[in-house]
Order: sequence, then structure tokens, then C-alpha cells
Amino acid sequence: EAQVTQNPRYLITVTGKKLTVTCSQNMNHEYMSWYRQDPGLGLRQIYYSMNVEVTDKGDVPEGYKVSRKEKRNFPLILESPSPNQTSLYFCASRKGASPWDEQYFGPGTRLTVT
Amino acid sequence: KQEVTQIPAALSVPEGENLVLNCSFTDSAIYNLQWFRQDPGKGLTSLLLIQSSQREQTSGRLNASLDKSSGRSTLYIAASQPGDSATYLCAVPNQAGTALIFGKGTTLSVSS
Repeated sequence: EAQVTQNPRYLITVTGKKLTVTCSQNMNHEYMSWYRQDPGLGLRQIYYSMNVEVTDKGDVPEGYKVSRKEKRNFPLILESPSPNQTSLYFCASRKGASPWDEQYFGPGTRLTVT
Repeated sequence: KQEVTQIPAALSVPEGENLVLNCSFTDSAIYNLQWFRQDPGKGLTSLLLIQSSQREQTSGRLNASLDKSSGRSTLYIAASQPGDSATYLCAVPNQAGTALIFGKGTTLSVSS
């Protein structure tokens, strides 16, 4: 089944403890992206990647890192999480660089930072 | 800068009713528009993608229309069911094609 997977689905952590949220897609998509969803603010893009080894900042990149060493994986790294990073995170992928293509989203990761 | 608006924020209807969800965008130069469904605590499921050259797109009981000149799209749901209860989001790519710009969504509740 073609899909975007994220792990973990739920995570509770403490301020300052480094964590990684994994994202993987099995559709051989070139483009991948991370969003966060917050009440009242909607979905906002954190980082995106047009292809392997190519990443760029979205609208809210502060406090996050990403890497794209393989086509299928696009992990989101929080080196020193803070309570304002408590959010619902989504990974997305798209076939190529073209904006004409449909985007597919993962099931989400609910992160709580205390 | 492109902005996407969805009104109303919430909608309650009895089962069986036909309904329309609205999505408006400020810049008519869009590539396409995508409708998503989000169930509580769940991911985003793509419902329909309507390209800028299209006027309509249909999938089962769902029909999406696009009027670029007026900056509007509608999602028509026929014969609504309790299982349709969810939040519906619309989104358009930004000018660079690097991100989707989302509306805040319409939360639909269908009562039996």
C-alpha cells in the first residue's frame, strides 16, 4: 500500500531532551515536507526537501533540523525541545518538484513537551 | 501573499442532507486546489485534487468545483452520513510550489 508513515505517533518528552520523529514514504517521491498544526494557527510548513541532500526552510523552521540522506526518509530532529513545540506534526510527500502533483500526508505525530 | 479562508468554521446538519463547504483564496493564480479530510487525532486524507484548468472533480458523493476568477472552490457532499463527520481542509500550493497554504478548516457534524 502506498503510504507515508511516521513514528512515533505519540510522544511525551521533557524540555531539552533531543528527539527524532521519523518519516518514510514508499512511493519513490522526490519531494517531502514537514508541517505542524496548532489550534487557531492551522498548518504551517517547517522544512521541505525537493530531493536527496536538498533541504530548505519553510515558514517556521526555528528549533528544528532535518536531513534527507535517502529518498524515502525525511526525519525531523528537535535538538532541544521546548514547550512551544508541543504540536501535531505531519509529514507529506509529492511525486516530484512540480506543484501540480497531489500531496500525501502521514498519520501525524502528537508531541507534548513538558 | 496567498491566503486561504474557509467559512463557516463549523457546520451541523442532519443525516441525508446535501451540503456545501466553501473555500476562498486571495490570489487567483493557483496551480491547483486540494481538499482534505481530517478525523480527530488522525492524519490528513486527500479527497480531491482539482487542477487550475478544471472546473469540477468528482469522487463518489463528493464534488469539488473551482472558480479561479472569483477565487473560490466548493466541496459538495451529497446525502450526508454520520461517517462524514470530520474537519475538511482546502489547500493551494504557494507561488514557488514549495508548500501548501491551508485554510483553517470547516468542522462538519452529521447527526443521525
